[in-house]
Amino acid sequence: DIQMTQSPASLSASLGETVTIECRASEDIYNGLAWYQQKPGKSPQLLIYNANSLHTGVPSRFSGSGSGTQYSLKINSLQSEDVASYFCQQYYDYPTFGAGTKLELK
Amino acid sequence: EVQLVESGGGLVQPGRSLKLSCLASGFTFSNYGMNWIRQAPGKGLEWVASISSSSSYIYYADTVKGRFTISRDNAKNTLYLQMTSLRSEDTALYYCARKTTEGWFAYWGQGTLVTVSS
Repeated sequence: DIQMTQSPASLSASLGETVTIECRASEDIYNGLAWYQQKPGKSPQLLIYNANSLHTGVPSRFSGSGSGTQYSLKINSLQSEDVASYFCQQYYDYPTFGAGTKLELK
Repeated sequence: EVQLVESGGGLVQPGRSLKLSCLASGFTFSNYGMNWIRQAPGKGLEWVASISSSSSYIYYADTVKGRFTISRDNAKNTLYLQMTSLRSEDTALYYCARKTTEGWFAYWGQGTLVTVSS
């Protein structure tokens, strides 16, 4: 199985700040990576697929980048509605997820 | 609008069985591969099982292989997960999710909670 190591586990940031979440795969996943946002008590929602493609309806302050084994999700100009947990998922092989990053407001 | 509605969760004793259902609407169910994904309380996401549109291809996570069976009824727009020999570590919120051909999960249900405890 491909292991996904996500960091940090938790993050505290101020409104308007830029935050970055990282995911590292145990082997090359050839951009087969998605990012999800999960708000408390809700199901995950797709943000990014193919490492850097924005899903329909997702605000442009979200962006994804990376290649090979290293990927990142960036949120520009943090808004209060961005408080959530974020998960990466690789789909190059059987799906595996990162452990998640809990984003809170400072 | 795509909707996935899970049902069938509940409290069950270790070693017993439970069958989950996921009723799909808002899209042509028979055209899409479907998956079950679970999330233990306060934990991350774990893919459980996958079934192709015509049930020709079925895959399981090693943690449930031999105990869980995924199936679908395209006439009823319904996905199933038959769970047997349940263990405490199977306690989780179980989501059904529609997977794209490429592999990401574009749509998720609201989940159904399975609690395995004596």
